[in-house]
Amino acid sequence: SQQGEEDPQALSIQEGENATMNCSYKTSINNLQWYRQNSGRGLVHLILIRSNEREKHSGRLRVTLDTSKKSSSLLITASRAADTASYFCATVRTDSSYKLIFGSGTRLLVRP
Amino acid sequence: NAGVTQTPKFQVLKTGQSMTLQCAQDMNHEYMSWYRQDPGMGLRLIHYSVGAGITDQGEVPNGYNVSRSTTEDFPLRLLSAAPSQTSVYFCASRPRPHGGYSNQPQHFGDGTRLSIL
Repeated sequence: SQQGEEDPQALSIQEGENATMNCSYKTSINNLQWYRQNSGRGLVHLILIRSNEREKHSGRLRVTLDTSKKSSSLLITASRAADTASYFCATVRTDSSYKLIFGSGTRLLVRP
Repeated sequence: NAGVTQTPKFQVLKTGQSMTLQCAQDMNHEYMSWYRQDPGMGLRLIHYSVGAGITDQGEVPNGYNVSRSTTEDFPLRLLSAAPSQTSVYFCASRPRPHGGYSNQPQHFGDGTRLSIL
């Protein structure tokens, strides 16, 4: 079974608004990563947060991690039409550090 | 650097045929993985390798074989194609982690779109 599950499955916002996506997972993790996938392309790494970190920033991206709730959130501020893509969280479990397990993704549409 | 290169980009097979999906990386990464992506299900791990000569099964290994004779190449073989294997296949690589933990991001190829009739 998949480790991470994203919520919502789909999100539609206006350009300039903020977009928030959530990820829940089931077991203890070493780190959690977020990836973006543009239509018809491979996944591109966005940001990695380790289990001992609570928040991380990269440009317009802000990621939080709550290990007690086994959840993470990705915030994209001041969204642009170019942010339209699918976003996936992926986890590395502490008992299986070789494997990166992906969730089912959130499809984000940013309307111009 | 070309990164991770997958060939072919598209393929149509008949049920029962066999084929090999190619994956090559030029970043000298030790770890390589194969995923399949189906609508609404995200990416599922098929097989992975932590170095030349070492492979292991992921979440959905049945019907697929892999080998890793070199660091650069990690081919995925479909032994007898079935319609249930219609999917988009992604190959990924990343460096060996430090301290035993996988704290390196993965690099993905652009995928192979496979249809089995």
